[in-house]
Amino acid sequence: EVQLVESGGGLVQPGGSLRLSCAASGFTFSSYAMRWVRQAPGKGLEWVSGISGSGGSTFYADSVKGRFTISRDNSQTTLYLQMNSLRAEDTAVYFCAKATVLWGVGQYFDHWGQGTLVTVSS
Amino acid sequence: EIVMTQSPATLSVSPGEGATLSCRASQSVSSNLAWYQQKPGQAPRLLIYDASTRATGIPARFSGSGSGTEFTLTISSLQSEDFAVYYCQQYYNWPGTFGQGTKVEIK
Repeated sequence: EVQLVESGGGLVQPGGSLRLSCAASGFTFSSYAMRWVRQAPGKGLEWVSGISGSGGSTFYADSVKGRFTISRDNSQTTLYLQMNSLRAEDTAVYFCAKATVLWGVGQYFDHWGQGTLVTVSS
Repeated sequence: EIVMTQSPATLSVSPGEGATLSCRASQSVSSNLAWYQQKPGQAPRLLIYDASTRATGIPARFSGSGSGTEFTLTISSLQSEDFAVYYCQQYYNWPGTFGQGTKVEIK
């Protein structure tokens, strides 16, 4: 059974940092691209960042470019999102999601974690 | 960027009735379209991919159709567990884009 379990969310002041983790199991982790998707309170789904199965390719939404860094440890089957210079508008539930391909176009997402809440507030 | 527009924003339906949700792309996405269901406090769940293929474990009352720019998700007879928000997502063009969602609520 595929499982994705996020952790690391919490309350942080503007300008602060957090590191999210997504522990994966039940599939060959290195064979699939992964993404972080967020959902602000009462809003829709927004791509944040994605990474290829090998970790060699990444992408970021313009809204987080230069502030967030995605990475993965295939030996530990864990996905990460380092979030720096956090802003109030980054407040959201952050989901990790497993793609159905290694990388590139054609990515849709067949498994999602339960999400972790990030609140940026003073 | 391809813009995905879902309609209506909210659909009020009685249990046992059918529901039809629409998703329109600003340019052709071929059949590279997925539908997700999200219940309050839960993660999205993949329902349909390639516009019309049901994901593993998805009941037959869910069906998808369309290609190009016009897509439809049909729920043939709504059960209580089907009241949720539904999102479409195109994956024809990088990095893929979501629609804004359609909320299916109890009438």
